[in-house]
Amino acid sequence: DGGITQSPKYLFRKEGQNVTLSCEQNLNHDAMYWYRQDPGQGLRLIYYSQIVNDFQKGDIAEGYSVSREKKESFPLTVTSAQKNPTAFYLCASSLVVLSGNTIYFGEGSWLTVV
Amino acid sequence: AQSVTQLDSQVPVFEEAPVELRCNYSSSVSVYLFWYVQYPNQGLQLLLKYLSGSTLVESINGFEAEFNKSQTSFHLRKPSVHISDTAEYFCAVSASGGSYIPTFGRGTSLIVHP
Repeated sequence: DGGITQSPKYLFRKEGQNVTLSCEQNLNHDAMYWYRQDPGQGLRLIYYSQIVNDFQKGDIAEGYSVSREKKESFPLTVTSAQKNPTAFYLCASSLVVLSGNTIYFGEGSWLTVV
Repeated sequence: AQSVTQLDSQVPVFEEAPVELRCNYSSSVSVYLFWYVQYPNQGLQLLLKYLSGSTLVESINGFEAEFNKSQTSFHLRKPSVHISDTAEYFCAVSASGGSYIPTFGRGTSLIVHP
């Protein structure tokens, strides 16, 4: 079945460490996104990519980095510069970045800083 | 820029009762509107969307939403809810006719009691 796979589902990180969240899609979508979800704050866009080797900052990019070396993959690195990284992270994709297009989401990854 | 407000953070309701989840948006241009649903510990799924045409849009599981331009609203309704409808519901808005990424509201938690 086509879809978006995020891993790991749960991740614990010590303060000062970088951590990378994996996102793979087999929907043949050009556009991919990373969102952060905190209780009561909805979804906030971290980064998005319209095409391979290209990505743009979203609303809360500070402390995060991404790469888009393959169409199927869009990993997110949470760096030690992110002051409050504990959250639920959602990867998503759409055919292209175009108003009206449906965005498809993965199952999410929980990151906890200990 | 556009924004979306979901007026209720939680809506408790008894099974088989009707429900309305409110969504208002702000935009200086024409918009597309979306409702997504998130079941516990999962990603979001598109429930329905308004792009153009009939202002009343329906989903396959009995939800409907009506685009009201004069009141800048896109409220979600269901005449009779089930326990399985318990979830978080997100309204989203994007400017129409271009490459715009939707802005999501903070979400409304629908809690259906037996």
